[in-house]
Amino acid sequence: DSGVTQTPKHLITATGQRVTLRCSPRSGDLSVYWYQQSLDQGLQFLIQYYNGEERAKGNILERFSAQQFPDLHSELNLSSLELGDSALYFCASSSPNSPLHFGNGTRLTVT
Amino acid sequence: GQNIDQPTEMTATEGAIVQINCTYQTSGFNGLFWYQQHAGEAPTFLSYNVLDGLEEKGRFSSFLSRSKGYSYLLLKELQMKDSASYLCAVRGAGNMLTFGGGTRLMVKP
Repeated sequence: DSGVTQTPKHLITATGQRVTLRCSPRSGDLSVYWYQQSLDQGLQFLIQYYNGEERAKGNILERFSAQQFPDLHSELNLSSLELGDSALYFCASSSPNSPLHFGNGTRLTVT
Repeated sequence: GQNIDQPTEMTATEGAIVQINCTYQTSGFNGLFWYQQHAGEAPTFLSYNVLDGLEEKGRFSSFLSRSKGYSYLLLKELQMKDSASYLCAVRGAGNMLTFGGGTRLMVKP
């Protein structure tokens, strides 16, 4: 168990809808990262937060947004969903100079 | 920006040794990581190199040459459960971790 909690595990929704994915980092970790992994693809970095502030941005679509709250949990909001957004979404957390620890992911299916 | 290359697939025999290579180009370097990922599961941390040389951890070892932008993961005494994807990742400026596409390793009896 990595200590990173993601909910929900599975999400099935229709095109055009909006969903929110939730992540609780490991105790003591201030950094939260979001990654997208489409079928048989690599991990694509979306966004990083550190102690509530956006630290780095990757290939995140304008339809996607995220935030990190004062209690350090983070949410990833995906709107105007398209079929191509179907993927595994991973959250990871870390402390400075330490490895990233990943949650079990949320599997999003857009129909 | 960062560019990370590793082979797409490799096959090896149970009990053997396999070396998975990774080359990278990065504008800032704060360490190289190897992760293992079974299909549909979360990546799990295997090893971390920030200085040149070899880091050994049981059956797994990882090597880094910063001047060559090169790393490898060495897996010894392969077991069937080692069949998985192995992800090379580089931490650049701003603590951001960028992953390569992963190497799918198939271990055969």
